Amino acid sequence: AQKVTQAQTEISVVEKEDVTLDCVYETRDTTYYLFWYKQPPSGELVFLIRRNSFDEQNEISGRYSWNFQKSTSSFNFTITASQVVDSAVYFCALSEGGYSTLTFGKGTMLLVSP
Amino acid sequence: DAMVIQNPRYQVTQFGKPVTLSCSQTLNHNVMYWYQQKSSQAPKLLFHYYDKDFNNEADTPDNFQSRRPNTSFCFLDIRSPGLGDAAMYLCATSRETGGTSYEQYFGPGTRLTVT
Repeated sequence: AQKVTQAQTEISVVEKEDVTLDCVYETRDTTYYLFWYKQPPSGELVFLIRRNSFDEQNEISGRYSWNFQKSTSSFNFTITASQVVDSAVYFCALSEGGYSTLTFGKGTMLLVSP
Repeated sequence: DAMVIQNPRYQVTQFGKPVTLSCSQTLNHNVMYWYQQKSSQAPKLLFHYYDKDFNNEADTPDNFQSRRPNTSFCFLDIRSPGLGDAAMYLCATSRETGGTSYEQYFGPGTRLTVT
């Protein structure tokens, strides 16, 4: 069965600090997809990134970067020079196979203070 | 802008009084999902439509029903809301081809209060 673990329940940082959100997944499929979503206080989940199991390249998008390591079944998310607007709950999610529904982790609440 | 729209944003209903939440999308995605999210928890999938095919999660109570009259609209009906059904209800859409899993796009949610 598939499973996503976000061990960090809550992280507090001061603006401009770098922060890494951890995500560890379990799956028996060789084809799977990993996602990160952001949920700000307004409540709407915002899609950030999708990565398939055959693409282990790290990705950088502005202040955001993602480190996918199949050897450790991890898909970690780093925010560089954090800002107050980054305060939100971040969910890591997994879908197996060619098509399946998402399995979410429990989320990590990130609090960035000025 | 193409998007997922949910109405109303806030809904108050009485214990046992049927309520319907609506979702519409302009993305022309073939899959639509309904999630329930309670405070400090991850979204929990209730059911989804893959085109016209309805897929119910095994642990979704019978109290929850859904309708998808066309590609653009999907409704969540709660037949007899209980206090435990107070939550945020999220609608999402995705395009699926059967061979690849794509990201889901979420609406802003409807916060349901049961009095």
